[in-house]
Amino acid sequence: EADIYQTPRYLVIGTGKKITLECSQTMGHDKMYWYQQDPGMELHLIHYSYGVNSTEKGDLSSESTVSRIRTEHFPLTLESARPSHTSQYLCASSESGLGELFFGEGSRLTVL
Amino acid sequence: GQNIDQPTEMTATEGAIVQINCTYQTSGFNGLFWYQQHAGEAPTFLSYNVLDGLEEKGRFSSFLSRSKGYSYLLLKELQMKDSASYLCAVSPPDSWGKLQFGAGTQVVVTP
Repeated sequence: EADIYQTPRYLVIGTGKKITLECSQTMGHDKMYWYQQDPGMELHLIHYSYGVNSTEKGDLSSESTVSRIRTEHFPLTLESARPSHTSQYLCASSESGLGELFFGEGSRLTVL
Repeated sequence: GQNIDQPTEMTATEGAIVQINCTYQTSGFNGLFWYQQHAGEAPTFLSYNVLDGLEEKGRFSSFLSRSKGYSYLLLKELQMKDSASYLCAVSPPDSWGKLQFGAGTQVVVTP
C-alpha cells in the first residue's frame, strides 16, 4: 500500500500556466525530496527538505519552487510552465535520511 | 557528480541468474543503494550496502567493494515479474538521503 501520495498522476497543460504538484505522506517522515526523471534517464534531485520550513535546491537546476509548511505536505509549483518542463516528477520521503527512500507514484507532466 | 555507470540492458531467461554491475567514482561515500523500477511506476528500495561484502535478501543479493568503487546486484531464480529497471544509487557524505542515481539497467526476462 502507498503511504506517499502524489496528485495529479498525469497533467497536460498549455505553456504559461501555473501548476502545483501535490505530495503528501502519512509516515511522519521529516525528510522529503523531489526528483525529476526523463524516460530512460537517471533521476535527478531538484528539491529537498529536512523538516518544516526547511527547503533547499538539489543538484539539478529547476525553475520550480517548493514549500514545507506541514510535515506531511511538500508541494512543488511551476509559476509559468514551458515545454522544457515536460517530465516525470517523483516525490519521496525518508525516515532515517540514510538513503532508503519511499517514492510516490509520480506526476507525469506534459506542457504543450 | 558521482559518475555512476551501469549497463543499459540485460536479457536473461526465466529461472536463470543475472548480475548487474555498477561502478562509481566518489571522494566520499555513505552507502550504495539498489532500487527496482517497473515501467511507469515508482522506484522501490531493494538493498543497501555501507560496508564491503555481500548482503543477501531472498532471491536478491548485493555486493560492495568500496576500494574498487564497485557493486553488483544478483538476481537469482529469475521470474517474469523481475523484468524492470534496476537503479544503482550512491549516497555521498553528509547527504542525508540525497541520492545520486545511475541511469538504470533494464532487465528483460524471457520465457
